[in-house]
Amino acid sequence: NAGVMQNPRHLVRRRGQEARLRCSPMKGHSHVYWYRQLPEEGLKFMVYLQKENIIDESGMPKERFSAEFPKEGPSILRIQQVVRGDSAAYFCASSPRSGGYNEQFFGPGTRLTVL
Amino acid sequence: AQTVTQSQPEMSVQEAETVTLSCTYDTSESNYYLFWYKQPPSRQMILVIRQEAYKQQNATENRFSVNFQKAAKSFSLKISDSQLGDTAMYFCAFIPSNYGGSQGNLIFGKGTKLSVKP
Repeated sequence: NAGVMQNPRHLVRRRGQEARLRCSPMKGHSHVYWYRQLPEEGLKFMVYLQKENIIDESGMPKERFSAEFPKEGPSILRIQQVVRGDSAAYFCASSPRSGGYNEQFFGPGTRLTVL
Repeated sequence: AQTVTQSQPEMSVQEAETVTLSCTYDTSESNYYLFWYKQPPSRQMILVIRQEAYKQQNATENRFSVNFQKAAKSFSLKISDSQLGDTAMYFCAFIPSNYGGSQGNLIFGKGTKLSVKP
């Protein structure tokens, strides 16, 4: 059973460009979470999605950031008009169900560098 | 607000010795889960150990064990017989056990960088 997959692993963008980060959850997992890790910091929650629904986006910046988890295909975290402060590692995690007792399995992360 | 605090930014230990990493948290929830995650230089997040708040018995996983003090809201990680491969960032994390609810996000501390020296 393949783990959580994220691509690309490294992404370089110039200021003003768009960044698209992809996450394929583990097989059988319908819950996806996105976290951001700034340098020397812990992971910070951004958004929680189920298939075709955003459940909790309380950690997502109000502008330029969006996320989706379509019925078919991976979850996408989209950052429009990137700025240097968006440089970070973005992690996706998945779980089979909601609730704290369900372990979240993490992908290897996408490291975004904004020049 | 729910917070997790790790007061030791960096620690080091000699190979084969024992080290304890500290974590405190703040919550008004009565039921929740606590975790320790390891992040080696590869940056992959690896679950080390999990503790359910309603269980009084401290969790153990091979060389890893926790000291869970619910009243003090403390959750420390003990690593016995430290190995070079234990060198990593260690993050303490918390999640409320909102069964069937929509809250699903882990709350992380800032991490402790552990170096195991030969």
